[in-house]
Amino acid sequence: AQKVTQTQTSISVMEKTTVTMDCVYETQDSSYFLFWYKQTASGEIVFLIRQDSYKKENATVGHYSLNFQKPKSSIGLIITATQIEDSAVYFCAIGGNTRKLIFGLGTTLQVQP
Amino acid sequence: EAAVTQSPRNKVAVTGGKVTLSCNQTNNHNNMYWYRQDTGHGLRLIHYSYGAGSTEKGDIPDGYKASRPSQENFSLILELATPSQTSVYFCASGDAGGAETYEQYFGPGTRLTVL
Repeated sequence: AQKVTQTQTSISVMEKTTVTMDCVYETQDSSYFLFWYKQTASGEIVFLIRQDSYKKENATVGHYSLNFQKPKSSIGLIITATQIEDSAVYFCAIGGNTRKLIFGLGTTLQVQP
Repeated sequence: EAAVTQSPRNKVAVTGGKVTLSCNQTNNHNNMYWYRQDTGHGLRLIHYSYGAGSTEKGDIPDGYKASRPSQENFSLILELATPSQTSVYFCASGDAGGAETYEQYFGPGTRLTVL
């Protein structure tokens, strides 16, 4: 069975700095997909970025990028030049051959002015 | 324009009553999903669907039914609501390449309180 673990419950950073959120996963699938989502204070859940397991290059979208370390089963989310509006809960998820996503419990990010 | 919508956004129900949560998507995705989110448990999958007419049990299906009458619509039905079903419910749609699962797009959520 697939599993996702986010060990950081909460992180606080100063605005305009870079933050990394950790995520480790377990899967028996040879091909899989890793995702990061953001849940805002209003409850909205937004898809941010995806990493395909067979791609060696780390995915990047805007000021979000990933640190994919396949041997360590790790997929970190990096946010550069953080802004106040990046304050949210961030979820890591994995999808494989089951048509389902498995989510971690999330990391709360607070960006201080 | 929002691609996944849910109704109602808030609902108060009585124990033993029937509750229907509705979801509509304009993404033209084959797959749709119902989750509930509770503090300490994250997002848990209740039911999902591969397409019109199909429904599959997720990880916590007990006490819930689902219906997918069309590509666009997916409903979650609580025949006999209980206070333990008080939660925030999210609908999502997503595409898939064969059995592989790609990203899902979420609706705004429905806050259900069962008294």
